[in-house]
Amino acid sequence: NAGVTQTPKFQVLKTGQSMTLQCAQDMNHNSMYWYRQDPGMGLRLIYYSASEGTTDKGEVPNGYNVSRLNKREFSLRLESAAPSQTSVYFCASSPEARAGLNYGYTFGSGTRLTVV
Amino acid sequence: AQSVTQLGSHVSVSEGALVLLRCNYSSSVPPYLFWYVQYPNQGLQLLLKYTSAATLVKGINGFEAEFKKSETSFHLTKPSAHMSDAAEYFCAVSNNAGNMLTFGGGTRLMVKP
Repeated sequence: NAGVTQTPKFQVLKTGQSMTLQCAQDMNHNSMYWYRQDPGMGLRLIYYSASEGTTDKGEVPNGYNVSRLNKREFSLRLESAAPSQTSVYFCASSPEARAGLNYGYTFGSGTRLTVV
Repeated sequence: AQSVTQLGSHVSVSEGALVLLRCNYSSSVPPYLFWYVQYPNQGLQLLLKYTSAATLVKGINGFEAEFKKSETSFHLTKPSAHMSDAAEYFCAVSNNAGNMLTFGGGTRLMVKP
């Protein structure tokens, strides 16, 4: 019963370095999401993928790119990391995303990223 | 656009006391509302959700929440706190397109012996 798996769990980057956060789900969900969590600000949506082959910007997309590799996998890339991107990153999935319906999300355990 | 306000970033209760975590939302359409719990170093787990079927929603671990449209509130309660309830709790509202959850800032619940 893996659910949503994120790798790595911890990462330290230097300013300007790049990296990709990986996310995979085994629940056959159509929709996947990337959030960042900062103290006192709750979770903010970075990007989402309503279905395989589609991606859309969320609330805070600047400095990030995403790839929906297949139905299971949704990766988040930081091209040139900045200290402001120090955060905890969560991947989530849900059966689908459409008007008038929301099942809620299943979350991964997070990636704690520090940019120095 | 929808938004969520959680009053009180920290709430402390004694074991056995009532737990009340407050959530107010703004939404231009009938909302879908959620409460999530986050234990240390873990992801968020769904506690309960309101999807317009019933205004009083029961969730896991003895928690419940009542949707009050007139007050635009969705407060989370539990009659008797347990030490294991210590965690951070997030209220969230869905947009009408169903493709985005907007989260409140979170409330950290501390339970004293």
